Amino acid sequence: DGGITQSPKYLFRKEGQNVTLSCEQNLNHDAMYWYRQDPGQGLRLIYYSQIVNDFQKGDIAEGYSVSREKKESFPLTVTSAQKNPTAFYLCASSPRDRDYNEQFFGPGTRLTVL
Amino acid sequence: AQSVAQPEDQVNVAEGNPLTVKCTYSVSGNPYLFWYVQYPNRGLQFLLKYITGDNLVKGSYGFEAEFNKSQTSFHLKKPSALVSDSALYFCAVRDRAGAGSYQLTFGKGTKLSVIP
Repeated sequence: DGGITQSPKYLFRKEGQNVTLSCEQNLNHDAMYWYRQDPGQGLRLIYYSQIVNDFQKGDIAEGYSVSREKKESFPLTVTSAQKNPTAFYLCASSPRDRDYNEQFFGPGTRLTVL
Repeated sequence: AQSVAQPEDQVNVAEGNPLTVKCTYSVSGNPYLFWYVQYPNRGLQFLLKYITGDNLVKGSYGFEAEFNKSQTSFHLKKPSALVSDSALYFCAVRDRAGAGSYQLTFGKGTKLSVIP
């Protein structure tokens, strides 16, 4: 988990509210990613960013939004349009100098909708 | 398109016995393959990766994996399991033909339980 921080560790939200999950890295990585993890479904890519001020939708982007204003930061907003937001959210980062670089993961944020 | 299958949801092994966690993949070109481990309520930790060359890859904590192109497999192995190896293991793939995209596709995970 070293080098990538996610906050908060646990987050509770009422239905209809937007909530923002924080992800910060001090690894000087260009690329950053957001995944959603549900039991038995592995990791699914929500959004990714390969460079500041640019990001791309992943496989399950509906109901989520991101920004990448700084290299170190890639916050994820879970909007009220996300129908089933309760999940474990993982942020990751990687260098871009080689396409076989592994991704480094943060400790995760567990979001529960009440 | 790239995809990964981990055919076993759970693997049980006795402490001290060898362990194998299976992974098969599908890519249009040649693959980069990765194994990660996840402990409860934690992020994923990188174990090892296959890039090219030697089909047997050695990684962290005594784990190794064997790349088999004809069977499109990349099984994770360890000669002697420890109770502390109990965790969730993920295989991931990236198609080299997708150069410029750094996306990984993950399997659904295999829960490894090492029984004392």
